Amino acid sequence: EDKVVQSPLSLVVHEGDTVTLNCSYEVTNFRSLLWYKQEKKAPTFLFMLTSSGIEKKSGRLSSILDKKELSSILNITATQTGDSAIYLCAVAGLEETSGSRLTFGEGTQLTVNP
Amino acid sequence: NAGVTQTPKFRVLKTGQSMTLLCAQDMNHEYMYWYRQDPGMGLRLIHYSVGEGTTAKGEVPDGYNVSRLKKQNFLLGLESAAPSQTSVYFCASSYSDRVRNEQFFGPGTRLTVL
Repeated sequence: EDKVVQSPLSLVVHEGDTVTLNCSYEVTNFRSLLWYKQEKKAPTFLFMLTSSGIEKKSGRLSSILDKKELSSILNITATQTGDSAIYLCAVAGLEETSGSRLTFGEGTQLTVNP
Repeated sequence: NAGVTQTPKFRVLKTGQSMTLLCAQDMNHEYMYWYRQDPGMGLRLIHYSVGEGTTAKGEVPDGYNVSRLKKQNFLLGLESAAPSQTSVYFCASSYSDRVRNEQFFGPGTRLTVL
């Protein structure tokens, strides 16, 4: 059974701080790892990391995949109050039926105070 | 494009009542999914479909049924609601290939069972 564990489960910081969110996984035949941001509504896609693309960056957000350690980190620099959200990590494993069935972690609740 | 839509947005049921949640997508995706989200537990897969006329069980299928009569629609049914089914329900859809693993989520349905 695939498993994804995120840490910390919650985090409170001040605007301007840098944060690092962690995700570790156990999955049969790893295909990709995805990060989502969830503000009070639907999760929205941030990054997808694969064996051929282990590092992604978009503005103040960046993510790295460590296939040896079976983990990933999501970094947010110069945090803003708008970064307050739940950050979800998910992994996709290879299945005979293909497609993209994902296993999600519990999420990290990030709160950025002004 | 509307993306993924869900109806209703909110619903309150009494124990034993039945209801159907409707999910629709206009992206011509083959795969569709139903998740539930409870505090501190991330997203858990209830049922999913890899194409019109097909369905499969996910991680927590008990007490739910689904149907995929049309490619663009995926219905989630509760035959006899229980308080343990109080949750936020998300529908998602995705491509069917092995490369594009991203899932696109609807806005969610908040269900309360009294």
